[in-house]
Amino acid sequence: QVQLVESGGGVVQPGRSLRLSCAASGFTFTSYVIHWVRQAPGKGLEWVAVIWYDGSNKYYADSVKGRFTISRDNSRNTLYLQMNTLRAEDTAVYYCTRERSSYYYGSGFDFWGQGTLVSVSS
Amino acid sequence: QSVLTQPPSASGTPGQRVTISCSGSRSNIGSNTVNWYQQLPGTAPKLLIYSNSQRPSGVPDRFSGSKSGTSASLAISGLQSEDEADYYCAGWDDSLNDPGVVFGGGTKLTVL
Repeated sequence: QVQLVESGGGVVQPGRSLRLSCAASGFTFTSYVIHWVRQAPGKGLEWVAVIWYDGSNKYYADSVKGRFTISRDNSRNTLYLQMNTLRAEDTAVYYCTRERSSYYYGSGFDFWGQGTLVSVSS
Repeated sequence: QSVLTQPPSASGTPGQRVTISCSGSRSNIGSNTVNWYQQLPGTAPKLLIYSNSQRPSGVPDRFSGSKSGTSASLAISGLQSEDEADYYCAGWDDSLNDPGVVFGGGTKLTVL
């Protein structure tokens, strides 16, 4: 069965860095576009970043552009999010999620991880 | 402020039909398909509708979606208590130098 398992969250001071990981299993990881989506406490969903199935394209929300970097290791079936210069407003549960259709974007997110909480506080 | 506009709340009684609207622009809903997600408290979102009106396997046919121009809507008929959740519309947006996904602000559905 398809599984996405995030890890790497925790409490970090403003200005510091953190790297999230998302381990994928149960599907052909190399065929799917994968996203990071976050949700601040008590707030709605916010798209963060996307990476193409082969890593050839990466796009970011304006709120994280220049600070966050999405990447993937297709040999390890793992997605990453390097988060630098963290701010209080980055506090959120971070989900990795998969496009429903292989090799495509905009088809809907059919599988989600359980999320990992990032708390930015001094 | 979200790129896609949804009402913050909606409500209905069991058995009723409720609709949730989602308004966007030419660069997102007007150019791409709309997806809807249901989020129960404390859980990850679940894909409810994709490609404007398609239901994934396992989603009851009480849920339906539609799109017209730069707006979309989610309809829930035969409302049940377990439908009480947050609902989000989303879609691809082509307007930016870098394209991306945009979400609505979410609609909290209360079953009275």
